[in-house]
Amino acid sequence: KNQVEQSPQSLIILEGKNCTLQCNYTVSPFSNLRWYKQDTGRGPVSLTIMTFSENTKSNGRYTATLDADTKQSSLHITASQLSDSASYICVVSAGNKLTFGGGTRVLVKP
Amino acid sequence: NAGVTQTPKFQVLKTGQSMTLQCAQDMNHEYMSWYRQDPGMGLRLIHYSVGAGITDQGEVPNGYNVSRSTTEDFPLRLLSAAPSQTSVYFCASTSGNLNTGELFFGEGSRLTVL
Repeated sequence: KNQVEQSPQSLIILEGKNCTLQCNYTVSPFSNLRWYKQDTGRGPVSLTIMTFSENTKSNGRYTATLDADTKQSSLHITASQLSDSASYICVVSAGNKLTFGGGTRVLVKP
Repeated sequence: NAGVTQTPKFQVLKTGQSMTLQCAQDMNHEYMSWYRQDPGMGLRLIHYSVGAGITDQGEVPNGYNVSRSTTEDFPLRLLSAAPSQTSVYFCASTSGNLNTGELFFGEGSRLTVL
C-alpha cells in the first residue's frame, strides 16, 4: 500500500530560526514528489515539484531535498517568518495517483 | 484570473439532507477532482474527471455523486448526508497530466453534518 509519512506532526519555532520537515514514502512506481503549503482555512498551494533525478529544489526560503534511494524528502525553511505558520504537506505521485501525507503543522512565534 | 472557486465556504446540514458543493475553474483545465480533508489524515480523493462528460471514482466515493457537463464546472453532490461526511472538501484542477501537472486547489468548503 502506498504511504506517505511526515514528521514531526507539529513544531514551534522562533521567528528567524530555521527548521526542517521530514517526509518518508513507500510509493511505487515513483514519478515525483511535491511539497504544498496550506494556510489555516485555505487550500494547499504548491511549493516545489521534484522528479526522480532532482536532489534539491528551492523556492525562496524553502528548499526541498529528495533521496530517491532511501525514499526520503525534507523541506527546509530558512530564516522563518510569521507568515510561514501553516501546514506543510508532502505528496508523492505514482503513475497517475497522488498519495498525500498527513502534514506538519508549523507555528512561528515572534 | 480567479483560479478554482468553491461555494459555499461553510454549510451545516442535518442527517439525510442533500446538497451540492460547487466548483468552477477558469484555467481551461481538463482534469478536475474532489478531495476531503479530515484531521490528522492526508487528503483523500473522492471523484475525478479527465474532461467534460468523463468522471471516475477515487479512493472514497461512497455517498457522493459528480457530473461534468462543461470543462469549467465540477459539482459534488451529497445524496443523503451522514455525520461521517463532516469534513473539509477541496476541489482541484490541473492542465494535462495529473502525474506531472501542478495541482491548483480551491479555498475549501467546510461541511458539518448534525
